Amino acid sequence: SQTIHQWPATLVQPVGSPLSLECTVEGTSNPNLYWYRQAAGRGLQLLFYSVGIGQISSEVPQNLSASRPQDRQFILSSKKLLLSDSGFYLCAWRTRQLNTEAFFGQGTRLTVV
Amino acid sequence: QKEVEQNSGPLSVPEGAIASLNCTYSDRGSQSFFWYRQYSGKSPELIMSIYSNGDKEDGRFTAQLNKASQYVSLLIRDSQPSDSATYLCAVSRDTGRRALTFGSGTRLQVQP
Repeated sequence: SQTIHQWPATLVQPVGSPLSLECTVEGTSNPNLYWYRQAAGRGLQLLFYSVGIGQISSEVPQNLSASRPQDRQFILSSKKLLLSDSGFYLCAWRTRQLNTEAFFGQGTRLTVV
Repeated sequence: QKEVEQNSGPLSVPEGAIASLNCTYSDRGSQSFFWYRQYSGKSPELIMSIYSNGDKEDGRFTAQLNKASQYVSLLIRDSQPSDSATYLCAVSRDTGRRALTFGSGTRLQVQP
């Protein structure tokens, strides 16, 4: 069966510090991968998506970047965090097949102080 | 206009009642439709998916899709206090990025 791992679960970082969040998927190959952010009491905002190794598309201009160094690994990064980067970050995957669902990792609660 | 709209609630129903959650979407090219449940501080959990017009039932849950009206709904029968959560409606195309676009969610409270 497929599983998705995302870590860390919580993170408190000072303004101006770097960020690296990692997500890995098991049990499937060549998935579409996504990073979402959820602000408190809000819906999920798509940040990045990837359809293959090294292929990253950004949905919103921001202080973050993403990379996909391996087929089932997706990394979210920042060189210098801002207070506005605080939120709940979620990695998700979806197969290429039609009529399939997206599944989420456990999420990372990031607080920038 | 938001791409996916939901009433934020809270929707309060007594235990054992039917909870009705609604969602409208703006992209007529949407082909896949989902309901996720999210408990406070947790990641979204898939409840139902629906891909064609009509009703789809799974246990106490029924999803309804009307593409002509761009409307999706979720019915929860015999609501339980454990159903208290935020319910997120999501839609996607099945081409290109295939990313899900989410509504802001409806908070459901089931009163014991």
